Amino acid sequence: QKEVEQNSGPLSVPEGAIASLNCTYSDRVSQSFFWYRQYSGKSPELIMSIYSNGDKEDGRFTAQLNKASQYVSLLIRDSQPSDSATYLCAVRGYTNAGKSTFGDGTTLTVKP
Amino acid sequence: EPEVTQTPSHQVTQMGQEVILRCVPISNHLYFYWYRQILGQKVEFLVSFYNNEISEKSEIFDDQFSVERPDGSNFTLKIRSTKLEDSAMYFCASSDGARELFFGEGSRLTVL
Repeated sequence: QKEVEQNSGPLSVPEGAIASLNCTYSDRVSQSFFWYRQYSGKSPELIMSIYSNGDKEDGRFTAQLNKASQYVSLLIRDSQPSDSATYLCAVRGYTNAGKSTFGDGTTLTVKP
Repeated sequence: EPEVTQTPSHQVTQMGQEVILRCVPISNHLYFYWYRQILGQKVEFLVSFYNNEISEKSEIFDDQFSVERPDGSNFTLKIRSTKLEDSAMYFCASSDGARELFFGEGSRLTVL
């Protein structure tokens, strides 16, 4: 079983639609959860972090965390062509210096 | 906005040669990391560094790899004798301990 597993892509949505990205993780002691956006050939860019159960909204992005189900998701509302990228889910343990473990990523294409 | 800077952006080397990748983390950050991403694959943790010593390292980070913070600002990754399979994008990241990692733009290493 992979430590961090993301829904297989690629995912294609029309402009203006909601894109839904999912991630599950295996380590129950994980404390911190992140979504990064990575454009081709570029570095990961942090777009959302979430630490407690429930929803966290930031502009068009909403992250949802359910620790009991070991599940974290990202919703992108009003998707734009500029949102087309690979989205990486990352999970981190309880220590400040602890590593973040990344999923394989889900590639999103938003079609105009 | 503070950022993590990495040099060189691209390095080509012959197999067996030593390579040093350099990073300047965000100035008030205390935790430093190296990750790598082989083309088309996921972001993989290599090593974390805090208080002038390695906090955690992955099985990838074998005796051929070393890290150093020689002068209080630079954070370096050395690969002593490069192999073809070391070809990848290497990302430096830093954190103030508040959980979020910020990545540099990466150094692409090509081993011939």
